[in-house]
Amino acid sequence: NAGVTQTPKFQVLKTGQSMTLQCAQDMNHNSMYWYRQDPGMGLRLIYYSASEGTTDKGEVPNGYNVSRLNKREFSLRLESAAPSQTSVYFCASSDPSRVVTEQYFGPGTRLTVT
Amino acid sequence: SQQGEEDPQALSIQEGENATMNCSYKTSINNLQWYRQNSGRGLVHLILIRSNEREKHSGRLRVTLDTSKKSSSLLITASRAADTASYFCATDLNDYKLSFGAGTTVTVRA
Repeated sequence: NAGVTQTPKFQVLKTGQSMTLQCAQDMNHNSMYWYRQDPGMGLRLIYYSASEGTTDKGEVPNGYNVSRLNKREFSLRLESAAPSQTSVYFCASSDPSRVVTEQYFGPGTRLTVT
Repeated sequence: SQQGEEDPQALSIQEGENATMNCSYKTSINNLQWYRQNSGRGLVHLILIRSNEREKHSGRLRVTLDTSKKSSSLLITASRAADTASYFCATDLNDYKLSFGAGTTVTVRA
């Protein structure tokens, strides 16, 4: 039982390049989330997927797209990377059908855009 | 915008002392959660307190919630070096999402 896994762990991009961050969970959770974490700002929600087949914008969606490929996988795509997207990206999952709605986090992807 | 704000931003204590941090939030909540983040790692859920609860304990953790003041506190008793981490409060607005504060960085000195 690996929990939430993310790839890659580190990435350096040049401005204008594209890339996809991958996330998978093996806990059979319905909901999945993408966050970015910047110094002094905590976590900000980029996109989330309440259940398979649905995605919704969070607080900071501009410059990103997502795909909920199946129940296990939720990917985040940067179509044209900008230096402002330098951040640490976390994927999380939860099962809102349970009484306790805690989220389980992956180890993060540290992205630098030059 | 972020719902929760932690106070203080940073805290340094001696091993064995207690650490207290506070969280204030803006709107009515379903529950409030606390998470820990060790350096370079993802967040780990510590404890959840529902809006109709006032106090909750889990091991060396004690959480209080005052919905009239829209505030919560996390107390870590008898701190250890392993408690060195950032601590985040997160409010659950009952819409699948959590809103996280900016965190309190706790350093426990040996």
